[in-house]
Amino acid sequence: GAGVSQSPSNKVTEKGKDVELRCDPISGHTALYWYRQSLGQGLEFLIYFQGNSAPDKSGLPSDRFSAERTGGSVSTLTIQRTQQEDSAVYLCASSLVGVGTGSYEQYFGPGTRLTVT
Amino acid sequence: AQSVTQPDIHITVSEGASLELRCNYSYGATPYLFWYVQSPGQGLQLLLKYFSGDTLVQGIKGFEAEFKRSQSSFNLRKPSVHWSDAAEYFCAVGAGSNFGNEKLTFGTGTRLTIIP
Repeated sequence: GAGVSQSPSNKVTEKGKDVELRCDPISGHTALYWYRQSLGQGLEFLIYFQGNSAPDKSGLPSDRFSAERTGGSVSTLTIQRTQQEDSAVYLCASSLVGVGTGSYEQYFGPGTRLTVT
Repeated sequence: AQSVTQPDIHITVSEGASLELRCNYSYGATPYLFWYVQSPGQGLQLLLKYFSGDTLVQGIKGFEAEFKRSQSSFNLRKPSVHWSDAAEYFCAVGAGSNFGNEKLTFGTGTRLTIIP
């Protein structure tokens, strides 16, 4: 079956512009995660969705970052007024969830490489 | 808060030699532990996971890892590496919850180079 997909694969934007990154999780996966991978900070958690709600937004670095998920499926991560320090690879992951499912691993997409110039 | 330490930033191994990548974690309760591999330009692929039970877990591509609670370690091993194993390896700990799915905290990664 299809894995997690992300688009675009690469995005170059000018400082101050807004960007939207998209994630299509594995069909049927109710949990969705966004992570950021950068040279200076390694792999960092950003936000977690359970269905359409986000019980854990603790990793969002500033109020310029927001995310939503609709229909329990596709998620969009939006970065407003981008800064150079936002340059990173943004990874999305999805997983099954629920007591007794016995499956807790997160499956990762290929990522979106964001470059802010 | 949980944390993961991978003390080796870069390891070079000859093809056919054995491999051990170190991982130490800090977490108050029984952790969920994972090893992921990332090839250049690729996303993360799960190699293996530990949730409970047998402390020696087998994964894909001939990898195994052993959970040692007394040492707070979850080292990754492979008896004989192949050139295709060259990649970045990440150890991660999951907080776990009633649902068992929460954010992963990753180590800084170990880059593995294979020499002929």
